[in-house]
Amino acid sequence: GNSVTQMEGPVTLSEEAFLTINCTYTATGYPSLFWYVQYPGEGLQLLLKATKADDKGSNKGFEATYRKETTSFHLEKGSVQVSDSAVYFCALTDTGRRALTFGSGTRLQVQP
Amino acid sequence: DAGVIQSPRHEVTEMGQEVTLRCKPISGHNSLFWYRQTMMRGLELLIYFNNNVPIDDSGMPEDRFSAKMPNASFSTLKIQPSEPRDSAVYFCASRGQMNTEAFFGQGTRLTVV
Repeated sequence: GNSVTQMEGPVTLSEEAFLTINCTYTATGYPSLFWYVQYPGEGLQLLLKATKADDKGSNKGFEATYRKETTSFHLEKGSVQVSDSAVYFCALTDTGRRALTFGSGTRLQVQP
Repeated sequence: DAGVIQSPRHEVTEMGQEVTLRCKPISGHNSLFWYRQTMMRGLELLIYFNNNVPIDDSGMPEDRFSAKMPNASFSTLKIQPSEPRDSAVYFCASRGQMNTEAFFGQGTRLTVV
């Protein structure tokens, strides 16, 4: 079946530091890949997505590239802000476009 | 659009009581999902509807849980009888035919005491 593996958190960084959150996946066919963000007390919001190999999703300074050869979709940001503190979830849907399969989430804490 | 709307936002109930969670998906979306979020198990898919028909309910924990989608604009998740281990945040999400991503509601925080 489908699965998503994320790096364990929490990740604690100082403001303006570089961020990488690793995500690898297992799926049949050609899944679509997503990063969602959850702020405290809120639902999940789509941060970015990529639907085919070598696509790069980007939004609000965050980027992730769909790497089929390494089955990865790592999230990066060049300079984090305190307001980026949240839980980040990597997710996929398979080619049958069924429900999203989520990773366990990575909590990011950015200190001023 | 107002997004996916869930009610109530918070629910506290006593063990053994019936609980009903409600969801209004985004207008025009034809897929609806119920997820449960806990610290121990993360985000779990409970059930998935497509065009109001349940497609995959393999994630429903046991017979105490049931979900319905009587029309394209409304879904319910019912727990009867509720137990303390059902305490979690329950999310509803919807997706349109032309979308790959799902859109989430704000969630219902359920506490069973």
